[in-house]
Amino acid sequence: QVQLQESGPGLVKPSETLSLTCTVSGGSISSYTWSWIRQPPGKGLEWIGNIYYSGSTSYNSSLKSRGTISVDTSRNQVSLKLSSVTAADTAVYYCARSVGYGSSYFDYWGQGTLVTVSS
Amino acid sequence: EIVMTQSPATLSVSPGERATLSCRASQSVSSNLAWYQQKPGQAPRLLIYGAFTRATGIPARISGSGSGTEFTLTISSLQSEDFAVYYCQQYENWPLTFGGGTKVEIK
Repeated sequence: QVQLQESGPGLVKPSETLSLTCTVSGGSISSYTWSWIRQPPGKGLEWIGNIYYSGSTSYNSSLKSRGTISVDTSRNQVSLKLSSVTAADTAVYYCARSVGYGSSYFDYWGQGTLVTVSS
Repeated sequence: EIVMTQSPATLSVSPGERATLSCRASQSVSSNLAWYQQKPGQAPRLLIYGAFTRATGIPARISGSGSGTEFTLTISSLQSEDFAVYYCQQYENWPLTFGGGTKVEIK
């Protein structure tokens, strides 16, 4: 059974960089696309961006180029960096898997990790 | 960006009754539409992809229909575990976008 686990600081100061890691277990990171999705408290879901295991990325332009997603196939990990954060970036951050390359639906999700932006 | 609009925002239904949830896309997404269920404190769970194909382990009482811009998720006889928030998501175009959700609550 594939499992995804997000990890990283739960509190980030405004203007700093949010850094999260998603560790994939029970399956290979290869041949799949891995996304980061966030959900502000009490609100809906926003797709941040994704990365194919080979390294090809796509991002939501709403992030205004603040996001960077990378993959480490040797560690079965996907990472997210979001720079210049503000309170509006406070959310539960999920990593999720899509089958194959390109835009798709999400068949496996991590449990999510809450990141609060506050001084 | 394709905007996904879900209605109603809240649906009050009695156990055993039928629930019908709607999702409308601002432009055609063909059949590239998925549905998810989310319970409090949990990650979303994939229910339907390709507009009507049930994901692994999803019971037959949950079904999806539609194509183009109009989609429906139907739960034929609501069970206690079905009370949750439901989201639609299009994967026709970048960026991938979700609807605002429909909360199905106990009447």
